[in-house]
Amino acid sequence: EAAVTQSPRNKVAVTGGKVTLSCNQTNNHNNMYWYRQDTGHGLRLIHYSYGAGSTEKGDIPDGYKASRPSQENFSLILELATPSQTSVYFCASGNRGYAEQFFGPGTRLTVL
Amino acid sequence: GDSVTQTEGLVTVTEGLPVKLNCTYQTTYLTIAFFWYVQYLNEAPQVLLRSSTDNKRTEHQGFHATLHKSSSSFHLQKSSAQLSDSALYYCAPFMPNYNVLYFGSGTKLTVEP
Repeated sequence: EAAVTQSPRNKVAVTGGKVTLSCNQTNNHNNMYWYRQDTGHGLRLIHYSYGAGSTEKGDIPDGYKASRPSQENFSLILELATPSQTSVYFCASGNRGYAEQFFGPGTRLTVL
Repeated sequence: GDSVTQTEGLVTVTEGLPVKLNCTYQTTYLTIAFFWYVQYLNEAPQVLLRSSTDNKRTEHQGFHATLHKSSSSFHLQKSSAQLSDSALYYCAPFMPNYNVLYFGSGTKLTVEP
């Protein structure tokens, strides 16, 4: 059974609209991460969290907010979506230290 | 600042021949761990190899890599590439200051018959 799930898996949004991407993990990991993946740029970190109630800015946080209401859930929020935010978004979870990160299946977001 | 460089964006090899994917890094931190992630088409990235020990060879699924802190490298190699190895490969050092992985830009490996 998948330990990191994302919803929705595909999303088409309009410019200026609000988009919320959700992530749930059953690994009981402390840390959770949001990445976007674009050809030529690889995986870039948007926001991450050390636990419920905490959010930290990654390398490219502009235009994104994050929310971690519980150990299991981590959301990425685009308040005013723009076409430049069209991408594939991955959520991941992991424990502190040198432990690996476990990725969800990804969400393909298209902003028209 | 900290950075990781994967020198080839696209690598194409013939099935059965060796393959090497390069990864070098620059960091101000002395003690770090390294990962290689693999992402197959339409799937999520997953760990292929990990190492935190200098000059120790790590192997998994026929791939191997050795962390060389003296040359700041963690190249991925395989002696005989298979068609099923075609995928996107990411080098990712662990950044202890932020407790995050820093992914390189990725190398797309295509193995041809």
